[in-house]
Amino acid sequence: AQSVTQPDIHITVSEGASLELRCNYSYGATPYLFWYVQSPGQGLQLLLKYFSGDTLVQGIKGFEAEFKRSQSSFNLRKPSVHWSDAAEYFCAVGYYGGATNKLIFGTGTLLAVQP
Amino acid sequence: GAVVSQHPSRVICKSGTSVKIECRSLDFQATTMFWYRQFPKQSLMLMATSNEGSKATYEQGVEKDKFLINHASLTLSTLTVTSAHPEDSSFYICSASSRGEQYFGPGTRLTVT
Repeated sequence: AQSVTQPDIHITVSEGASLELRCNYSYGATPYLFWYVQSPGQGLQLLLKYFSGDTLVQGIKGFEAEFKRSQSSFNLRKPSVHWSDAAEYFCAVGYYGGATNKLIFGTGTLLAVQP
Repeated sequence: GAVVSQHPSRVICKSGTSVKIECRSLDFQATTMFWYRQFPKQSLMLMATSNEGSKATYEQGVEKDKFLINHASLTLSTLTVTSAHPEDSSFYICSASSRGEQYFGPGTRLTVT
């Protein structure tokens, strides 16, 4: 069965520091992988996605993620965190469920940014 | 582009009443929409897949008679929580599918008193 694991429930980094959020997935075929960000009480915004091709994916707001098939990982990175990056981050794997593509989400990582 | 709206953003209702939540794709057509439920500090759980012009497909464990879904047009899907109870209080998020990607609405906070 498909699943997504985000090992870190809560991470705190200092503003300007680098960031890496971990994501591991379980899926039998080539996965479609996504990272979303959610601000409190809001919906989800897509940061980036991987469907195929280059394993290093660039997204919005300076984020990037690297797909590593051998490790079943899709970690999100940012070289320098801004205070406005404080939010909850969700990794998701897309799969074909019946007649349409569905998403399974990880449990999320809450990012706090210290001044 | 690819904007999805939800209405209302917040709703409080009394136990036993029904509540309807609307999900609209504003600038594109979506034959498929999804409804998710999110409990505090938890992930999104897919409740059902809404297909325009046909019955919704519910995930295992979701009561289809309690969570009624109607997808009457290519830009509108509705979720009606019938006979709501306090345990139905949650954050409900919809998404609309376009070219294999899902675009999410801002969510609806339902509180049942």
